[in-house]
Amino acid sequence: AQSVTQPDIHITVSEGASLELRCNYSYGATPYLFWYVQSPGQGLQLLLKYFSGDTLVQGIKGFEAEFKRSQSSFNLRKPSVHWSDAAEYFCAVGADMRFGAGTRLTVKP
Amino acid sequence: GAGVSQSPSNKVTEKGKDVELRCDPISGHTALYWYRQSLGQGLEFLIYFQGNSAPDKSGLPSDRFSAERTGGSVSTLTIQRTQQEDSAVYLCASSFSQNTGELFFGEGSRLTVL
Repeated sequence: AQSVTQPDIHITVSEGASLELRCNYSYGATPYLFWYVQSPGQGLQLLLKYFSGDTLVQGIKGFEAEFKRSQSSFNLRKPSVHWSDAAEYFCAVGADMRFGAGTRLTVKP
Repeated sequence: GAGVSQSPSNKVTEKGKDVELRCDPISGHTALYWYRQSLGQGLEFLIYFQGNSAPDKSGLPSDRFSAERTGGSVSTLTIQRTQQEDSAVYLCASSFSQNTGELFFGEGSRLTVL
């Protein structure tokens, strides 16, 4: 069965620092992969998605993610974090959209 | 409306009562998903509908939970004989098709079981 693991429950970074959020998946074939963000008091918003092709995908708000088949990973990155990036981040996999447990990002001034 | 609409936004009920949560997806969206989000928890998949295909019910936690989607549009999630552990935010999302990946979420229905 397909599954998604986000190993980090909570991450704290300083504003301006780089960020990497981890996502590992278990899936029988090349999966559809997604990152969503849930800001406090708001609904979920799609950051980016991977279906096929170039393994480095660009998303909104300066985020990018890289699909690594050999590592079954789809990690989310941002070179310089802004205070407004503080939120819950969810990785999802597959056409039936199974979500990971989420990573809560705190940004220190 | 322009977005996914869910009702009620808040529901407080007594243990043992039945509740119905409604989701009105974006017009033209063939895929509809239900998730449960408990405090501090991730998104727990419950069920999804895709067009006229049989729904994937594999995420429903018990037989007290059921969902219908009438006419390929509005969906109702029913929880029978509610328990305190059912307290959560129930999120509905829709997508133009199963494979586009972009889900549009409603604001959720917050259920509190006393």
